[in-house]
Amino acid sequence: EDQVTQSPEALRLQEGESSSLNCSYTVSGLRGLFWYRQDPGKGPEFLFTLYSAGEEKEKERLKATLTKKESFLHITAPKPEDSATYLCAVQASNGQNFVFGPGTRLSVLP
Amino acid sequence: DGGITQSPKYLFRKEGQNVTLSCEQNLNHDAMYWYRQDPGQGLRLIYYSQIVNDFQKGDIAEGYSVSREKKESFPLTVTSAQKNPTAFYLCASNTDRRNTGELFFGEGSRLTVL
Repeated sequence: EDQVTQSPEALRLQEGESSSLNCSYTVSGLRGLFWYRQDPGKGPEFLFTLYSAGEEKEKERLKATLTKKESFLHITAPKPEDSATYLCAVQASNGQNFVFGPGTRLSVLP
Repeated sequence: DGGITQSPKYLFRKEGQNVTLSCEQNLNHDAMYWYRQDPGQGLRLIYYSQIVNDFQKGDIAEGYSVSREKKESFPLTVTSAQKNPTAFYLCASNTDRRNTGELFFGEGSRLTVL
């Protein structure tokens, strides 16, 4: 069964304090791994897709990396506006659907 | 602007009532999805549709029904058979029938059963 776990469940950072969020997955062949940002009461907003181990993608203060078992979302010098829940999802190569993790709730304090 | 529109944003229902959540997209996407989100859990798939007049059950379809009469529209009915319907409901779409690529989400509908 395809599974996604995320850690930590919640993370509190001071503004400028860099850190990483983890997404661990088990899937029967990976078609893609996706990162989303979700603000309270809103729908998730797409951030990145990673397809193969070793791949990296960056957007502003965020950088996503992928290995065969996990993905990291690195946040460099975060700002309060980076506060949100970050969701990770995988899609199996033999499947049509996406499996989502429970998310990491990030709070960045000024 | 292209996107997915869900309505209503908030909905209150008495026990025993059916309610329908609307989802409309103008992205010309083939595939559409309904997810349920509960605190501390990942999004769970209720139903999905890859083409007009066809849809498949997801992991938690019991107590829900859908239709796909138009490419742009994928309404979800929460029936009285759904035991615990209070949740945040998200509609999504993506670009082709093979479901490759990222999902685009609406803003969600929060259903509360009184």
